[in-house]
Amino acid sequence: DGGITQSPKYLFRKEGQNVTLSCEQNLNHDAMYWYRQDPGQGLRLIYYSQIVNDFQKGDIAEGYSVSREKKESFPLTVTSAQKNPTAFYLCASSVGRDWWTEAFFGQGTRLTVV
Amino acid sequence: DQQVKQNSPSLSVQEGRISILNCDYTNSMFDYFLWYKKYPAEGPTFLISISSIKDKNEDGRFTVFLNKSAKHLSLHIVPSQPGDSAVYFCAASAGNMLTFGGGTRLMVKP
Repeated sequence: DGGITQSPKYLFRKEGQNVTLSCEQNLNHDAMYWYRQDPGQGLRLIYYSQIVNDFQKGDIAEGYSVSREKKESFPLTVTSAQKNPTAFYLCASSVGRDWWTEAFFGQGTRLTVV
Repeated sequence: DQQVKQNSPSLSVQEGRISILNCDYTNSMFDYFLWYKKYPAEGPTFLISISSIKDKNEDGRFTVFLNKSAKHLSLHIVPSQPGDSAVYFCAASAGNMLTFGGGTRLMVKP
């Protein structure tokens, strides 16, 4: 079955540590996105990638890094520079550059800093 | 500065009645609008969309209305069912960027 998979579902991190969230899709989608959800603030764009080996900063990229070495994979690293990393993170993919077709979202990863 | 706003964080409706979820936007460059439904600890799923060249789009129990002059869109669910209870996000697109509202939690009571 085609889909988009995020792992792990729950993640705990100590302050000062980097952590990487996985996002894999087998939909053959070119575009992939990372969003962060906080209560009352909807989904805010962290990074997006339209093609392999290329990615762009979204609205809240500070403290995060990404890579796009393969079409299927778009991992997100939450670095120690991110001041408030506790949140629900969502990965999405879509067919192409625009959102005329609906986006497919993963199940999300809840990151908690302890 | 939020470009897409959902001013009602929650809405409670009786089963069988109409649910109306509202969304306002400020960016006149937005040309495509979508509604997503989200259950707890899951990713959002696409519900319905509308292009800026239309003022209404209908899909079964779901209808989205767009008022460009007021920069306002709404989602109507008729009749509402308990399974519709979820958080609903509106989203607006300008090119390859998608901006989400803060969400409205809909509770449909039996």
